[in-house]
Amino acid sequence: SQQGEEDPQALSIQEGENATMNCSYKTSINNLQWYRQNSGRGLVHLILIRSNEREKHSGRLRVTLDTSKKSSSLLITASRAADTASYFCATVRSPGYSTLTFGKGTMLLVSP
Amino acid sequence: NAGVTQTPKFQVLKTGQSMTLQCAQDMNHNSMYWYRQDPGMGLRLIYYSASEGTTDKGEVPNGYNVSRLNKREFSLRLESAAPSQTSVYFCASSPREGVYNEQFFGPGTRLTVL
Repeated sequence: SQQGEEDPQALSIQEGENATMNCSYKTSINNLQWYRQNSGRGLVHLILIRSNEREKHSGRLRVTLDTSKKSSSLLITASRAADTASYFCATVRSPGYSTLTFGKGTMLLVSP
Repeated sequence: NAGVTQTPKFQVLKTGQSMTLQCAQDMNHNSMYWYRQDPGMGLRLIYYSASEGTTDKGEVPNGYNVSRLNKREFSLRLESAAPSQTSVYFCASSPREGVYNEQFFGPGTRLTVL
């Protein structure tokens, strides 16, 4: 069963704008990860945030985690056309799991 | 380094035929995974191998078998293909066992079962 649910399902913005995607999940987690998938390609890992962390940055990416609300957000600042892709959150449930459970993804379109 | 490679890239099967999807990684990773991706469904784990010599079922293992041939290679076999197995299949690997691991994905195999 899907653990994460991304919101929105699709997002269309202009270059230079910020893009925010949200992920909600159902159970306790050990960590949450975000992946990007360009059309017709495999997934690429973006960032991992542990359950005891609240915020993490990597370049133009900012991820937040609120374990009390069971939710996370991915912010891409100053978006570029090359950011056009699908974005997935994935969780490692706790306790006792080591595998990832993926959400259904958000499709981001960045127009020039 | 090629990373994670998968063969074939595309395959069309008839119902009842069998085939093996091949996956190899050259990053000396311990853990390997097989997923399927269906439209609007995200990725679902079929089988995984936490380390060489071990395999475990994931969320959707029915109709599939796997072999961890050695540390580099992890194959997925469909013994009697069904139209419901039409999907895009991804292989992935991660450096270690355990929970704090990013996964590295191959380019995928697009399988159609008629």
